[in-house]
Amino acid sequence: DAGVTQSPTHLIKTRGQQVTLRCSPKSGHDTVSWYQQALGQGPQFIFQYYEEEERQRGNFPDRFSGHQFPNYSSELNVNALLLGDSALYLCASSNWDGRPHGYTFGSGTRLTVV
Amino acid sequence: KQEVTQIPAALSVPEGENLVLNCSFTDSAIYNLQWFRQDPGKGLTSLLLIQSSQREQTSGRLNASLDKSSGRSTLYIAASQPGDSATYLCAVDEGGAGKSTFGDGTTLTVKP
Repeated sequence: DAGVTQSPTHLIKTRGQQVTLRCSPKSGHDTVSWYQQALGQGPQFIFQYYEEEERQRGNFPDRFSGHQFPNYSSELNVNALLLGDSALYLCASSNWDGRPHGYTFGSGTRLTVV
Repeated sequence: KQEVTQIPAALSVPEGENLVLNCSFTDSAIYNLQWFRQDPGKGLTSLLLIQSSQREQTSGRLNASLDKSSGRSTLYIAASQPGDSATYLCAVDEGGAGKSTFGDGTTLTVKP
């Protein structure tokens, strides 16, 4: 049973560029959440997608956007990259039946902005 | 706004010792609390999930407790091993909307 898959594993971008990160949820999961983790800190919630819609959003600017596809996979897009966007981006999946069942995390994408 | 604090930030113990990691949160209206392990540069591995109606969960040498009224959770690790060395994170889920708030973690080093 495949867990949460994220791609790419590492990425280096130049300030001002745009980036797209991808996530495939665990089999049977229909909800995807994205988190940003700076070095030495806990993950910060970016947003969550369920039924192809953004359901919840954390305190992140509009430069951060996302999408969920009919097969439940998801993309995170970041425009106009800043040096401060350098972080580990984590995708978490779960299933929603009226109750949360905890989250399964992927291994993350390490984004470096230079 | 929910805030999650983990104390201590770092802990070093000799192999075989029993230890307790602490997690506190400011808003007791949580749906569940989850403990994770993170190895350097890696993703998060779920250890234990405690629903708001539960008081504790056990898995092998790990035991997590939850006291909503006081806004506290503890993770007890018995007979620690060098392989337990990692950062341990707690996260609270508020209302089941998928927005979990994390602490900054406790980095554990178990010395042989």
